[in-house]
Amino acid sequence: DAGVIQSPRHEVTEMGQEVTLRCKPISGHNSLFWYRQTMMRGLELLIYFNNNVPIDDSGMPEDRFSAKMPNASFSTLKIQPSEPRDSAVYFCASSPARANEQFFGPGTRLTVL
Amino acid sequence: DQQVKQNSPSLSVQEGRISILNCDYTNSMFDYFLWYKKYPAEGPTFLISISSIKDKNEDGRFTVFLNKSAKHLSLHIVPSQPGDSAVYFCAASAESSGDKLTFGTGTRLAVRP
Repeated sequence: DAGVIQSPRHEVTEMGQEVTLRCKPISGHNSLFWYRQTMMRGLELLIYFNNNVPIDDSGMPEDRFSAKMPNASFSTLKIQPSEPRDSAVYFCASSPARANEQFFGPGTRLTVL
Repeated sequence: DQQVKQNSPSLSVQEGRISILNCDYTNSMFDYFLWYKKYPAEGPTFLISISSIKDKNEDGRFTVFLNKSAKHLSLHIVPSQPGDSAVYFCAASAESSGDKLTFGTGTRLAVRP
């Protein structure tokens, strides 16, 4: 199994541009999570899906952030418009049904200039 | 409001000695706790976990201790090896919150040869 796949691995963009991060979870996993890692706050949960349905989006910082999961094998996190304070590493993780352990992808390092 | 706290941002230990990483939590509903290990440019990987019905769980060189009355858990690594140098995240979940994990800010462990 290839594990959780994220793309791109690195993204550099200018303030105001739209950014789309992509994730392919492990096949058969029912839950998918988007996290943001910063020095000050560690790993923050932004949103998670169960069976492609958003369950908890209370961690999404503001309306500029949106996430979709159109099918069981693909999810996107979009930031529009992006701001310098959005610069961070964004992780996607997935987990099987009724399991506490989550499997993380390698992350996308986003830099907004 | 940081519900899971890792108050030591870094720790340095001599190879062969014990490493003790600490974690405190405030939410009494948390009933399952995990430790994740993260190398640079990689996603976090699951290391060890413990249910609130136990006070100790051991897996090779890694042991996690849980003190529910103090809302405190710790990860012991003995003997420490240079390959253990990484960032360690403590995480907690509550049955009432479904699959959601709440992470701490991480502790960077450096094991000196």
